[in-house]
Amino acid sequence: EAGVTQFPSHSVIEKGQTVTLRCDPISGHDNLYWYRRVMGKEIKFLLHFVKESKQDESGMPNNRFLAERTGGTYSTLKVQPAELEDSGVYFCAGRIRGAGPYSNQPQHFGDGTRLSIL
Amino acid sequence: GESVGLHLPTLSVQEGDNSIINCAYSNSASDYFIWYKQESGKGPQFIIDIRSNMDKRQGQRVTVLLNKTVKHLSLQIAATQPGDSAVYFCAETPYGNNRLAFGKGNQVVVIP
Repeated sequence: EAGVTQFPSHSVIEKGQTVTLRCDPISGHDNLYWYRRVMGKEIKFLLHFVKESKQDESGMPNNRFLAERTGGTYSTLKVQPAELEDSGVYFCAGRIRGAGPYSNQPQHFGDGTRLSIL
Repeated sequence: GESVGLHLPTLSVQEGDNSIINCAYSNSASDYFIWYKQESGKGPQFIIDIRSNMDKRQGQRVTVLLNKTVKHLSLQIAATQPGDSAVYFCAETPYGNNRLAFGKGNQVVVIP
């Protein structure tokens, strides 16, 4: 079974530009999450999809960030315009279909996209 | 790697010895806890989990202990191997198994 795939692995852009990160979760993982770690900080939750619906986007830092999951398969996270403080590592995770909030199925993470804003 | 700048607590352990990594959590409403291992350039990898109705759970070479009274979680690794060198994170879910809250992480360095 393929794991969670994130693309690109590394992106370097200038302040003010736009970047789109992609996540392909494990097949059957209807729950999809985005997290990020900015330098010197813990990994922080951004948002949660169930299929194509946003269940919780309380961790999104501001309206420069837009996450989509059309069709309920892969997801994209767009940053527009990028600012210096957006630099960090962005992780995607998935959790199995049908797993209720108190199931024992953990979230499985991809290797992340390292985003560097110059 | 991603640990640069984080100034993580570091545990140095001799190969073959047992390791104990500790984690304090703050939210008494959390009811599901996970330990993740992260190697340089990789994402967090699931190790073991435990629900709040348990105080101990064992896996292969790993044991997680949960003390809800003092809100403390620990991970024990038996017979530590060089491949165990990594950063270890505890995570808790105060909102069901969705929005994970991560700890700062602990760096484990295994000395051959």
